[in-house]
Amino acid sequence: AQKITQTQPGMFVQEKEAVTLDCTYDTSDPSYGLFWYKQPSSGEMIFLIYQGSYDQQNATEGRYSLNFQKARKSANLVISASQLGDSAMYFCAMREGTYNQGGKLIFGQGTELSVKP
Amino acid sequence: GAVVSQHPSWVICKSGTSVKIECRSLDFQATTMFWYRQFPKQSLMLMATSNEGSKATYEQGVEKDKFLINHASLTLSTLTVTSAHPEDSSFYICSATDMNTEAFFGQGTRLTVV
Repeated sequence: AQKITQTQPGMFVQEKEAVTLDCTYDTSDPSYGLFWYKQPSSGEMIFLIYQGSYDQQNATEGRYSLNFQKARKSANLVISASQLGDSAMYFCAMREGTYNQGGKLIFGQGTELSVKP
Repeated sequence: GAVVSQHPSWVICKSGTSVKIECRSLDFQATTMFWYRQFPKQSLMLMATSNEGSKATYEQGVEKDKFLINHASLTLSTLTVTSAHPEDSSFYICSATDMNTEAFFGQGTRLTVV
């Protein structure tokens, strides 16, 4: 069963506008971490933001914020004031437990974001 | 942030030959490294987890004799694609953690088998 689901294969957004990339997850482990990565055409994985399952507040990092809805098991990424350089693939990922407990980072299918000038 | 260096960044090899990809943690001791494979426009699929000094744990469906992983030191893990064939052409990327921090990714290796 798919543990991380990104239902938007592609998204378009106008430059300077905000965009939300959807991510839902499935786990029975009470301790988990949720991540968002950006992958430009070069292939490198750029870490954007992290949300722990016990974190009370939504994570924010500059123009990135994570809308964490624990009951709905969703962890949507919000990018404010989109820039042309934001055009890339975006992956949602989850780690169940910690690395010490054998946790592994599992990725969703990805969303290709295109920012229009 | 921590630096993970992956080498080579791209490689072309002939069908039937073996290719070795290196993943190095430059400024921390990576007790655990992960190897992923990514086809164009697709997700990263975890192939295996390697812990320093022990055998790698492979994900279901990944041939351990085909993809040899060695994690002999706390700063180096290698992935060897043995007897490579065109269907092995893909983007391979590693990540490393010292268990106390999040995993950091290498730059990835584009493998083309001709």
